[in-house]
Amino acid sequence: DAKTTQPPSMDCAEGRAANLPCNHSTISGNEYVYWYRQIHSQGPQYIIHGLKNNETNEMASLIITEDRKSSTLILPHATLRDTAVYYCIVRVYGNDYKLSFGAGTTVTVRA
Amino acid sequence: NAGVTQTPKFQVLKTGQSMTLQCAQDMNHEYMSWYRQDPGMGLRLIHYSVGAGITDQGEVPNGYNVSRSTTEDFPLRLLSAAPSQTSVYFCASSNQGAQSSDTQYFGPGTRLTVL
Repeated sequence: DAKTTQPPSMDCAEGRAANLPCNHSTISGNEYVYWYRQIHSQGPQYIIHGLKNNETNEMASLIITEDRKSSTLILPHATLRDTAVYYCIVRVYGNDYKLSFGAGTTVTVRA
Repeated sequence: NAGVTQTPKFQVLKTGQSMTLQCAQDMNHEYMSWYRQDPGMGLRLIHYSVGAGITDQGEVPNGYNVSRSTTEDFPLRLLSAAPSQTSVYFCASSNQGAQSSDTQYFGPGTRLTVL
């Protein structure tokens, strides 16, 4: 699986959009971009995934650049409960049972 | 559905002791995995299973054994506990094949301290 690079931390004001960048310049054509988050002391939670098109669900939006070398996770209206570590993971579809987690981005939402 | 359950939530062992961390899922998922997470770090894969009777090693398998006799259960055994195995252990399951469900569901974790 291709490696990813994320900023170690970022702050966000409550109610504002949080934009989390991820660089995956060595991504292969059959690799998907997945996002998980881990709220303190809990198990990771799936957020969203995509291949090349932008995706949106009830939790977030995922914007993938045309060359697929980077992506941005958007939390449209951050709340205090969104404070967590966010992991960007690139992998071939179907290999989710052996995910490779990096250090992620620690997002702190402030009132 | 209870999802993925893990027991115990907390455990303290002495060096050299053995124990089994339990993991169960009631979603009929084929795939199950064990990860460990050390303070301030991401998760690292210990062992995984793609179905009953089939297991394989992940990134950090040394000191751990697994077995998968049923679809529901995937226990992790520490053979002879060492302080370096102090960590939080997460079990996860997933079901490959249906695109909408190609995600992992994680348990709440077991916090293990080895003295």
